[in-house]
Amino acid sequence: GAGVSQSPSNKVTEKGKDVELRCDPISGHTALYWYRQSLGQGLEFLIYFQGNSAPDKSGLPSDRFSAERTGGSVSTLTIQRTQQEDSAVYLCASSGSGYEQYFGPGTRLTVT
Amino acid sequence: QKEVEQNSGPLSVPEGAIASLNCTYSDRGSQSFFWYRQYSGKSPELIMSIYSNGDKEDGRFTAQLNKASQYVSLLIRDSQPSDSATYLCAVNQAGTALIFGKGTTLSVSS
Repeated sequence: GAGVSQSPSNKVTEKGKDVELRCDPISGHTALYWYRQSLGQGLEFLIYFQGNSAPDKSGLPSDRFSAERTGGSVSTLTIQRTQQEDSAVYLCASSGSGYEQYFGPGTRLTVT
Repeated sequence: QKEVEQNSGPLSVPEGAIASLNCTYSDRGSQSFFWYRQYSGKSPELIMSIYSNGDKEDGRFTAQLNKASQYVSLLIRDSQPSDSATYLCAVNQAGTALIFGKGTTLSVSS
């Protein structure tokens, strides 16, 4: 079946602009996670949605980052006033009744 | 702070050999353990999950878990050049965000 999809695959933006990244989880998966991977760095947790519960925002690096999940499915990660240190690959993952998390292809964000 | 440690490598093995990848974790409350494979420029791909002590085999892959020693390993038998990638160890408490190690780079030479 269809996996996790993310759009856009690449995004180049100027410093100070806002960006929105989209994630479509696997159909039926109730949990959705955002991570980012910077060059040479490990995968860093950002935010986690589980069903209708309040999201776990403990990984968001600053208040410029926010995310929402509409209708328990699609999620949008928004970065306001982008900075060069925001340049990274942003990865979305989803999981269903088990604990395995499946990743999308990622969005490569470059802030110039 | 919860940490997952892996040797960065590179780990170099000849084709057909066994590759052994190791991982330690700091949080004794961890319940779920995963190995992901990541090719350069691609996203992580789940290859193994393990939840209880002992071995779990899937084809050429065997995951080993020792909760008392806080240690997880991945064995790849009959290594192939296509196995060359970065292998990420990840742990979590059930259903929470994954904590990743920085990965071990494996190079399989033909």
